[in-house]
Amino acid sequence: DQQVKQNSPSLSVQEGRISILNCDYTNSMFDYFLWYKKYPAEGPTFLISISSIKDKNEDGRFTVFLNKSAKHLSLHIVPSQPGDSAVYFCAASSAIYGGSQGNLIFGKGTKLSVKP
Amino acid sequence: GAVVSQHPSWVICKSGTSVKIECRSLDFQATTMFWYRQFPKQSLMLMATSNEGSKATYEQGVEKDKFLINHASLTLSTLTVTSAHPEDSSFYICSAGRLAGGPPNNEQFFGPGTRLTVL
Repeated sequence: DQQVKQNSPSLSVQEGRISILNCDYTNSMFDYFLWYKKYPAEGPTFLISISSIKDKNEDGRFTVFLNKSAKHLSLHIVPSQPGDSAVYFCAASSAIYGGSQGNLIFGKGTKLSVKP
Repeated sequence: GAVVSQHPSWVICKSGTSVKIECRSLDFQATTMFWYRQFPKQSLMLMATSNEGSKATYEQGVEKDKFLINHASLTLSTLTVTSAHPEDSSFYICSAGRLAGGPPNNEQFFGPGTRLTVL
């Protein structure tokens, strides 16, 4: 049973527009969420994170929104650039799993393609 | 800062041989390192957590005698796939947790991964 779900395997967006990547989770014990970007044959690169005490965290073009009641988070990229084309993984953790330095539960990823 | 390297980046071996993959934190000390594997179009799955100087903790379903993990120092962890078989072919990724308190966050930092192909 997947605890972290990314239901869209792929997303295509025009350059300059907004990219919205969605992630749902089932485990109410999760209290820390992260987004990673991954290129083929490379390890994931940390993008942005959010703690459950917040509902929004912003870093440059990247903003993560957390809706705890819906167990849903989303990553907004605006404006999207061709270099953003990659697979984006949502990950969740909990203090009981060691927090961000413990067991991360990953979604299956969403492949984002930003077209010029 | 916070660079994690893996070696080798890819390896092809015959069935029955053993393969060792190294994971190093280059510019920070990592008390905890993690080993993941990823099958095509699948999520990263945690295999085991290794702490420097102690035995690794394996996730359910991961054979500890098959996937030997050694965390010899604060900057090096190794994963040895023993008697590899074609079904072990996968992308293996390590990550290292920086000691708490350091900016920007005490996140895990991932290595570039190792593509293992067992013939």
